[in-house]
Amino acid sequence: GAGVSQSPSNKVTEKGKDVELRCDPISGHTALYWYRQSLGQGLEFLIYFQGNSAPDKSGLPSDRFSAERTGGSVSTLTIQRTQQEDSAVYLCASSLQGADTQYFGPGTRLTVL
Amino acid sequence: SQKIEQNSEALNIQEGKTATLTCNYTNYSPAYLQWYRQDPGRGPVFLLLIRENEKEKRKERLKVTFDTTLKQSLFHITASQPADSATYLCALDKTNSGYALNFGKGTSLLVTP
Repeated sequence: GAGVSQSPSNKVTEKGKDVELRCDPISGHTALYWYRQSLGQGLEFLIYFQGNSAPDKSGLPSDRFSAERTGGSVSTLTIQRTQQEDSAVYLCASSLQGADTQYFGPGTRLTVL
Repeated sequence: SQKIEQNSEALNIQEGKTATLTCNYTNYSPAYLQWYRQDPGRGPVFLLLIRENEKEKRKERLKVTFDTTLKQSLFHITASQPADSATYLCALDKTNSGYALNFGKGTSLLVTP
């Protein structure tokens, strides 16, 4: 079956602009995760959605970052007023339930000029 | 602060030999530790999970050990093949929540024929 898909694959934006990154999880997976992989750094947990429960936003680095998950499926990560330090690969993952094996998408490479 | 350290130097080995990768951590009290494989331009792929009460776990040519006293995990690939060439990531759960993973920077493995 289809894996986790993310769009766009690459995004170049100017400092100060807002960006939206999209994640389509594996059908039937109730848990969805966002991670960030900055150059020379390991993947860093950002946010976790599980079903209809309130998301765990503890990993979001600032209030410029937000995420939504509509209808328990597609998720959008929004970064407002982008800064150069936001440049990274943003990865989405999903799992059947929370704490199950996470399946990752290919990521969106964000470059802020 | 919590840290996950993996050897940043690439590991080059000859086909057929055993590759051994190291993951050290500080300020975690992990209930489990995970290993992932990441190929260029792709998201990580889950390989193995080992729990704190397990000393060793095997899956085909892969073997993982977990020493909570040393705060270290070793990842072995026996009879290595060129197809094993990739970056290998160690991951720990920030809060033993079951989902909030943080990853090491990874060790690049190159297996030459």
